[in-house]
Amino acid sequence: QSVLTQPPSVSGAPGQRVTISCTGSSSNIGAGYDVHWYQQLPGTAPKLLIYGNTNRPSGVPDRLSGSKSGTSASLAITGLQAEDEADYYCQSYDSSLSGYVFGTGTKVTVL
Amino acid sequence: EVQLLESGGGLVQPGGSLRLSCAASGFTFSSNAMRWVRQAPGKGLEWVSAINSGGRTYYADSVKGRFTISRDNSKNTLYLQMNSLRAEDTAAYYCARERTYYDILTGSYKDYSNYYIDVWGKGTTVTVSS
Repeated sequence: QSVLTQPPSVSGAPGQRVTISCTGSSSNIGAGYDVHWYQQLPGTAPKLLIYGNTNRPSGVPDRLSGSKSGTSASLAITGLQAEDEADYYCQSYDSSLSGYVFGTGTKVTVL
Repeated sequence: EVQLLESGGGLVQPGGSLRLSCAASGFTFSSNAMRWVRQAPGKGLEWVSAINSGGRTYYADSVKGRFTISRDNSKNTLYLQMNSLRAEDTAAYYCARERTYYDILTGSYKDYSNYYIDVWGKGTTVTVSS
């Protein structure tokens, strides 16, 4: 059972903005550990979207942005496109578990 | 081009063993920390194990004592030796490269607990079943 909780699904029409939350606790996000975000298209390996809470690797469009506050983090996707349909995972570190932890995952559907 | 190619997956009986390999190319393998992540069918991602450039190892509680991560820098290859396999170990296993980054606020590179994955392999499937 993951210690980082995400909504199972979010959806939006093309062009709309959606946000995915990642809720942790005082032993992970709240302890100051970075949050990273990954996208997984069906049948493929995950891909890095955001590292260090807010940083986008080269090649990731600026329609995607990350934020972090307290024991939670969020990934925002603006100008939603059909190609954004995928599963999204947050990831951090947990001091109680002494290891990396992933969120439960969120499926984004473009209506 | 940076590439990670896993191999060694397959069908194994409960209690059996398997060794996964991950061949790295396109970057200086010896300088990078590496990680194994798995994904059970229809489930989310789960961190399995990691090894830093100096050979220090880390394990998830679910595999501690059963799995062993190692690396051969002369062969640019990462390994995962899996013993005493259980049905719940059935998953796609991904090899991944870890990275750090420079934090402007602190004027230093982020430590190991803040590493992220910037390159993933395509994965190899392990099925534990009788």
